[in-house]
Amino acid sequence: EADIYQTPRYLVIGTGKKITLECSQTMGHDKMYWYQQDPGMELHLIHYSYGVNSTEKGDLSSESTVSRIRTEHFPLTLESARPSHTSQYLCASSAQGGGTGELFFGEGSRLTVL
Amino acid sequence: GQQVMQIPQYQHVQEGEDFTTYCNSSTTLSNIQWYKQRPGGHPVFLIQLVKSGEVKKQKRLTFQFGEAKKNSSLHITATQTTDVGTYFCAGPPGGGANSKLTFGKGITLSVRP
Repeated sequence: EADIYQTPRYLVIGTGKKITLECSQTMGHDKMYWYQQDPGMELHLIHYSYGVNSTEKGDLSSESTVSRIRTEHFPLTLESARPSHTSQYLCASSAQGGGTGELFFGEGSRLTVL
Repeated sequence: GQQVMQIPQYQHVQEGEDFTTYCNSSTTLSNIQWYKQRPGGHPVFLIQLVKSGEVKKQKRLTFQFGEAKKNSSLHITATQTTDVGTYFCAGPPGGGANSKLTFGKGITLSVRP
């Protein structure tokens, strides 16, 4: 079982609220990722990090921001949530970069913005 | 940009039937990975293929990487209800230190008992 954890698992929030989705891994992986996935749909990379103080935007434009102050922690923040942000957010980590090596996924955070 | 394509998106089989699905890339891939996502769950890594023409087996699942490293297949022998889920292929465009995995849309398999 992978040692990567996401909280909260489910969140229902009103428009305009600030939210932070937490992601932590205990595997010592340098590479961490955030994917957005609508029900039954493909995964879209929205942010990634290859190490502490390194963050990059992914292929899908997102209004969220991320930070990487510690190796094990990669939180995602939405300053002002909107209904269009309703989705599942999946955090992942890997030991290798360059698109090689297994991605370990957390169980996801399902966000609903009313 | 690179596209990883999986068609169709849904397939329904009778339990005990064999199932094959394909993944095609518009560019050569340095490797291809397959993931399975159960309903309501998160993607779980199944396998990575690296070499041209490589074939790997996991019990009833057989994975193959094409000779040109632009396509891959997943074959399940004698499907069971436990095989239900969405199968994603993913590959990095051309490799390199800054490459990231691009996922296909996935194929959702349902199995009639």
